Amino acid sequence: KAGVTQTPRYLIKTRGQQVTLSCSPISGHRSVSWYQQTPGQGLQFLFEYFSETQRNKGNFPGRFSGRQFSNSRSEMNVSTLELGDSALYLCASSLQFTSTGELFFGEGSRLTVL
Amino acid sequence: QQQVKQSPQSLIVQKGGISIINCAYENTAFDYFPWYQQFPGKGPALLIAIRPDVSEKKEGRFTISFNKSAKQFSLHIMDSQPGDSATYFCAASWRDKLSFGAGTTVTVRA
Repeated sequence: KAGVTQTPRYLIKTRGQQVTLSCSPISGHRSVSWYQQTPGQGLQFLFEYFSETQRNKGNFPGRFSGRQFSNSRSEMNVSTLELGDSALYLCASSLQFTSTGELFFGEGSRLTVL
Repeated sequence: QQQVKQSPQSLIVQKGGISIINCAYENTAFDYFPWYQQFPGKGPALLIAIRPDVSEKKEGRFTISFNKSAKQFSLHIMDSQPGDSATYFCAASWRDKLSFGAGTTVTVRA
């Protein structure tokens, strides 16, 4: 069974640009969550989608947005990039909601903002 | 702000020793407490989880101890092995939102 796939794995952008990251969940999983990982901060919750609807959102500015498609694939977008957005962005999928089951994480997309 | 406070930030243990990671929380509504293990270059993976109606859960060499009154829980890694060297994250869930601790990097010296 294929795991969670995230693309691209690495990318470099400059301040002010925007970026779109993609996540393909495990087949059959309907919930997709996004996390930002930085040293010392751990994993910060961005948002969760279930059946194309955003169910939860973390405390990130509106520059961070996401969506989920009918096939459960998800994308997140960061506009007007800032240096502090440099991080590993992790996507996780699960059968049901985040709190009731195991999260399966992808290997992440490492974003560097120059 | 961090809803789950995790300590220590890092620890070094000799092979065969015990690694102990502690987490504390304030929100008494949290109802699910998982631990995730992350190896370099990989995403985190669920290691073990506990619900607040249980005080201890053991899976192989990994044990979660849960103290509801103190609002603390901890992970014990018994007989630590070099392959256990990884970053460990505790987490707590409420209303379908999972809050992670900042992580503990464990290094097991052979």
